[in-house]
Amino acid sequence: DVKVTQSSRYLVKRTGEKVFLECVQDMDHENMFWYRQDPGLGLRLIYFSYDVKMKEKGDIPEGYSVSREKKERFSLILESASTNQTSMYLCASSFGSLGYQETQYFGPGTRLLVL
Amino acid sequence: KNEVEQSPQNLTAQEGEFITINCSYSVGISALHWLQQHPGGGIVSLFMLSSGKKKHGRLIATINIQEKHSSLHITASHPRDSAVYICAAPTYTGNQFYFGTGTSLTVIP
Repeated sequence: DVKVTQSSRYLVKRTGEKVFLECVQDMDHENMFWYRQDPGLGLRLIYFSYDVKMKEKGDIPEGYSVSREKKERFSLILESASTNQTSMYLCASSFGSLGYQETQYFGPGTRLLVL
Repeated sequence: KNEVEQSPQNLTAQEGEFITINCSYSVGISALHWLQQHPGGGIVSLFMLSSGKKKHGRLIATINIQEKHSSLHITASHPRDSAVYICAAPTYTGNQFYFGTGTSLTVIP
């Protein structure tokens, strides 16, 4: 079974703090994704990576950066947390070469509260 | 405009009822996914289908590619089916998905 783990289930940070969210997958997947999920808005893509050190912006990259130094690990960084970044953050991974048959495997999510 | 629209947004049903959740999309796709998210956050893939119908236990998913519409049915619903159901359409490369906003289902005993 594919396992995608996230470093924290719940996180409380203060405005202006630097926040690191880590995601690790154990299936040698090429693609990794960071989403945020807000009520009424569904899942929105922040960034994705299709290879080590490669990244592409998603729909809402402002205020975020990412790092993928190793294939299994994809980090999301909030350089200076703001209250509008309070959200559920979900990491996902996928094989990467199955075209439309790709399935994304999700981590358990991190609920971030920025005070 | 969302590329993927779901209805209803919220649904409450009595245990045992037959449930239908609908998904319409405006983009050209080759397959559609149905995902389930239980309270607590984790999302799991239920189905990936590109034509016709798939069945898994009490869950049935159908798709009509020409009409750009898919449905998820739950027969003999149970409180443990309470979750958010999300439809998602992959881009041709599979690198990204268009997600619906989800249908929150509550099944009352």
